[in-house]
Amino acid sequence: GAGVSQSPSNKVTEKGKDVELRCDPISGHTALYWYRQSLGQGLEFLIYFQGNSAPDKSGLPSDRFSAERTGGSVSTLTIQRTQQEDSAVYLCASSPQTGANEQFFGPGTRLTVL
Amino acid sequence: AQTVTQSQPEMSVQEAETVTLSCTYDTSESDYYLFWYKQPPSRQMILVIRQEAYKQQNATENRFSVNFQKAAKSFSLKISDSQLGDAAMYFCAYRSAIGTASKLTFGTGTRLQVTL
Repeated sequence: GAGVSQSPSNKVTEKGKDVELRCDPISGHTALYWYRQSLGQGLEFLIYFQGNSAPDKSGLPSDRFSAERTGGSVSTLTIQRTQQEDSAVYLCASSPQTGANEQFFGPGTRLTVL
Repeated sequence: AQTVTQSQPEMSVQEAETVTLSCTYDTSESDYYLFWYKQPPSRQMILVIRQEAYKQQNATENRFSVNFQKAAKSFSLKISDSQLGDAAMYFCAYRSAIGTASKLTFGTGTRLQVTL
């Protein structure tokens, strides 16, 4: 079946503008994760959704970042008043359940803040 | 908090040769999972191999195998018979097996070059 999809693939915005990044997980996957990959760095956890439980927001770097997951499927990561340091690749992943199951990653959205 | 360290920013291997990528981690937990992910230029993260900490036997997947040393908190990846398609960034990752804390903690990655 289809893998995790993300849109847009690339986004260029001006400092101070808001952006929305979208993630469509694999159908039936109950867990959804957002990670950020800055240039030359590993992936940094941002937020995690599992079913109907309250999301784990412990990785969000500031209150300018928020995410929601509607209907237990599609997720949107919103960054308000973007800053240049927000420039990175934002990766979404989903998995069937918690535990040892593999996280399946999307191709990411490259965000550039001018 | 758990940390993952990859001390080799770049490695190079000749085609058909064997290369080992290093990874160490720090945790106070006894039950966890370890992963190696590959990231080619397409940015798509691909799972290479997975190891459950409670298993003593090292995981293998075709040309890929790990050397898991739990006491030393070491988890190296060996790639045998290297191929041009193996060129990519490789990330080591840790995941707790406790509760619902299932986020992945990644190292900073090793860029692998494969030469003819």
